[in-house]
Amino acid sequence: AQSVSQHNHHVILSEAASLELGCNYSYGGTVNLFWYVQYPGQHLQLLLKYFSGDPLVKGIKGFEAEFIKSKFSFNLRKPSVQWSDTAEYFCAVTSGSGNTGKLIFGQGTTLQVKP
Amino acid sequence: DAGITQSPRHKVTETGTPVTLRCHQTENHRYMYWYRQDPGHGLRLIHYSYGVKDTDKGEVSDGYSVSRSKTEDFLLTLESATSSQTSVYFCAISESGAGNEQFFGPGTRLTVL
Repeated sequence: AQSVSQHNHHVILSEAASLELGCNYSYGGTVNLFWYVQYPGQHLQLLLKYFSGDPLVKGIKGFEAEFIKSKFSFNLRKPSVQWSDTAEYFCAVTSGSGNTGKLIFGQGTTLQVKP
Repeated sequence: DAGITQSPRHKVTETGTPVTLRCHQTENHRYMYWYRQDPGHGLRLIHYSYGVKDTDKGEVSDGYSVSRSKTEDFLLTLESATSSQTSVYFCAISESGAGNEQFFGPGTRLTVL
């Protein structure tokens, strides 16, 4: 069965620090990869997604992620975080074959940015 | 924001009672999903639908049933609620399944006493 693992459960950074959140998945076939963000009290929103092509994907609010197929990884990065980035971040994967779109989520990483 | 509403937004119920949560969309998307969110588990798929009257199980479907009689509505029913079903429930929609972004509703916080 597919699974997604996020290595960091709780990250605390100061404003302007750089961010990297790890995400690894277990599935040998074609995958579609996503990062979602959940701000306090809000629903999930898409940050970025990878389907094919350039493995470096840019998303909203200055976030980017790099798909490294050989490492089964899709790490999220941001060069300089802001207090408003405080949120929970979820990595998710869906099989590239079939058409159900079932997402498998990682456990989530809570990011706290100190002003 | 995608037109997705969930009702109720909050519910407290007792063990053994039936509970139905409703997801309503105005986007005419074909795919609809129910997830539950629990600390340390992220979101886990309960059931999903790929069209009217077409549904299938997700990874944590035990104790839940769903129905979709119209494109816009996807109902999640807990036949006999248990305390382990205390959670936040999110509905999501997608235009065409795999490879497409899922848009999430605001969530329903359910507490089973």
